[in-house]
Amino acid sequence: NAGVTQTPKFRILKIGQSMTLQCTQDMNHNYMYWYRQDPGMGLKLIYYSVGAGITDKGEVPNGYNVSRSTTEDFPLRLELAAPSQTSVYFCASSDRAGNTIYFGEGSWLTVV
Amino acid sequence: QKEVEQNSGPLSVPEGAIASLNCTYSDRGSQSFFWYRQYSGKSPELIMSIYSNGDKEDGRFTAQLNKASQYVSLLIRDSQPSDSATYLCASAMYSGGGADGLTFGKGTHLIIQP
Repeated sequence: NAGVTQTPKFRILKIGQSMTLQCTQDMNHNYMYWYRQDPGMGLKLIYYSVGAGITDKGEVPNGYNVSRSTTEDFPLRLELAAPSQTSVYFCASSDRAGNTIYFGEGSWLTVV
Repeated sequence: QKEVEQNSGPLSVPEGAIASLNCTYSDRGSQSFFWYRQYSGKSPELIMSIYSNGDKEDGRFTAQLNKASQYVSLLIRDSQPSDSATYLCASAMYSGGGADGLTFGKGTHLIIQP
């Protein structure tokens, strides 16, 4: 009953460091998403993928990179972390376009 | 640009009353609509989805969609303190090739007063 699993749950980064947020889903969903959520703001789409080997930019992609080598995994890479990347990051998946998306538990990232 | 607008609240409702949450969307091409509930420090969880004009009921929850007015609402009957949360409205377009997820509003903070 895992669904969408994200790691780590909490992380503190120093400015300029890099890290990868891991995301895996066991529902055999083709569509996967990375959102960020800032306090009092809605969810903003960073990147999405419609299947292994296919990724595309969302609304706020700058400072991030993704890859999708398998159906299950969709890691998000932060290069040269900046304070503006302090946020909560949610990975999500869906079985098809326009359908319900299911969220992971979130990763709280602080850049200092 | 696709936008989903919600009143941020807080919306305060007495226990046992009906809570009414509203949402408007800008893109007439939107085909599907969702209400998610998010407790503080948790991830969003789906409450209701609605695809056709009219009402859709599920237990204490009723979603209403009016595509002509580009308006979506969520009614919560017999409100309970456990319903206190932020409610996110979201829309999506069916797109044959791409699948750029859901567009979310900023959410309405609902407080149920015992």
